[in-house]
Amino acid sequence: AQSVTQPDIHITVSEGASLELRCNYSYGATPYLFWYVQSPGQGLQLLLKYFSGDTLVQGIKGFEAEFKRSQSSFNLRKPSVHWSDAAEYFCAVVPNAGGTSYGKLTFGQGTILTVHP
Amino acid sequence: KAGVTQTPRYLIKTRGQQVTLSCSPISGHRSVSWYQQTPGQGLQFLFEYFSETQRNKGNFPGRFSGRQFSNSRSEMNVSTLELGDSALYLCASSRDSYYGYTFGSGTRLTVV
Repeated sequence: AQSVTQPDIHITVSEGASLELRCNYSYGATPYLFWYVQSPGQGLQLLLKYFSGDTLVQGIKGFEAEFKRSQSSFNLRKPSVHWSDAAEYFCAVVPNAGGTSYGKLTFGQGTILTVHP
Repeated sequence: KAGVTQTPRYLIKTRGQQVTLSCSPISGHRSVSWYQQTPGQGLQFLFEYFSETQRNKGNFPGRFSGRQFSNSRSEMNVSTLELGDSALYLCASSRDSYYGYTFGSGTRLTVV
């Protein structure tokens, strides 16, 4: 069955430090890949997405992610974290196919990011 | 450009009651998906509608149902509410998977 794993439940970094959030997926073919961010009590905001092509994708708020096919990973990075980045981050996938994949994002369990001043 | 609008933002219902949640997608988006978010189970897919047809469904009991109207607005209904239905219900709209999914702010349902 398709699955998404975010190994880190909680990460704490200092403001200005670099950040990497890990995401691994299990699926036969390369799916569409997404990173979302959620502030408490709010909906999900799309940070970036990967469908094909260049394996390094740029997103909003200074985030980027790198797709590595050999490792089935899609890790999110930011060179310098700001206090406003504190939130929960979700990696999500949807198969690159129709049928049972329609509209069905499969999410990881999320990583809570705490930023220390 | 208006985003995805979900109403109401908060709801408190009693066990055994039923509830209807509403979602207005971004103009031009014909796909609407619904998700349930709880601390224990995370984000789980409920169903997806496209042009008034349900194309996909998650593993939820029949008490959870939905529909989509000709203007792409969608509603989901939960009948015979249980305490475990307390959750944040999120709606997402899309033109198709390639463009990604835009989420609303959600409806927080509390069942007492």
